[in-house]
Amino acid sequence: RKEVEQDPGPFNVPEGATVAFNCTYSNSASQSFFWYRQDCRKEPKLLMSVYSSGNEDGRFTAQLNRASQYISLLIRDSKLSDSATYLCVVGGFQKLVFGTGTRLLVSP
Amino acid sequence: GAVVSQHPSRVICKSGTSVKIECRSLDFQATTMFWYRQFPKQSLMLMATSNEGSKATYEQGVEKDKFLINHASLTLSTLTVTSAHPEDSSFYICSARVIPPTGTETGEQYFGPGTRLTVT
Repeated sequence: RKEVEQDPGPFNVPEGATVAFNCTYSNSASQSFFWYRQDCRKEPKLLMSVYSSGNEDGRFTAQLNRASQYISLLIRDSKLSDSATYLCVVGGFQKLVFGTGTRLLVSP
Repeated sequence: GAVVSQHPSRVICKSGTSVKIECRSLDFQATTMFWYRQFPKQSLMLMATSNEGSKATYEQGVEKDKFLINHASLTLSTLTVTSAHPEDSSFYICSARVIPPTGTETGEQYFGPGTRLTVT
């Protein structure tokens, strides 16, 4: 079983749609949770950290369920520029483990 | 966010030669930097953790004699791929961990733009 599992997609959605990504992790001792965004042939960029209380940044909302070892990312009012691969990242102080990513394609 | 640079962005070399990749933190000091490798359509795989002033910690399956890491200062870590072979062709990305002034460890890492290595 992979340490971090994501649906690879792709998710094809029209502009303005709401889309949700899910992620599960296997290490119950994990301390840090993030969503990163990676564009084709580019480096990952931090999108947002994920906290147990949930957090929201504009159109993006992240949730963490430690009991179920589950993380989610919700994108509202999708834009063309949201097209990318979204990486679920789990880790402790030193080491991050990356999921394979979920690809999102937003079309006009 | 914090800025991390990487050089070169792209390199093509012949089999058997060595290639050095530099990773710099531009506006902060990074006591710890990380080196990853990403093959097409796969996730980032951590190769090693580079600590300033000490030996790097390599992940299982990564040859330390082939991938030489040096972290001589708080802003620079280098990865040297020695005796490169075509199977070493990959996207190599470094990252640095940011420690906020309060000392609270968030674990966030910021990535350099990556180096695409092609070994012919």
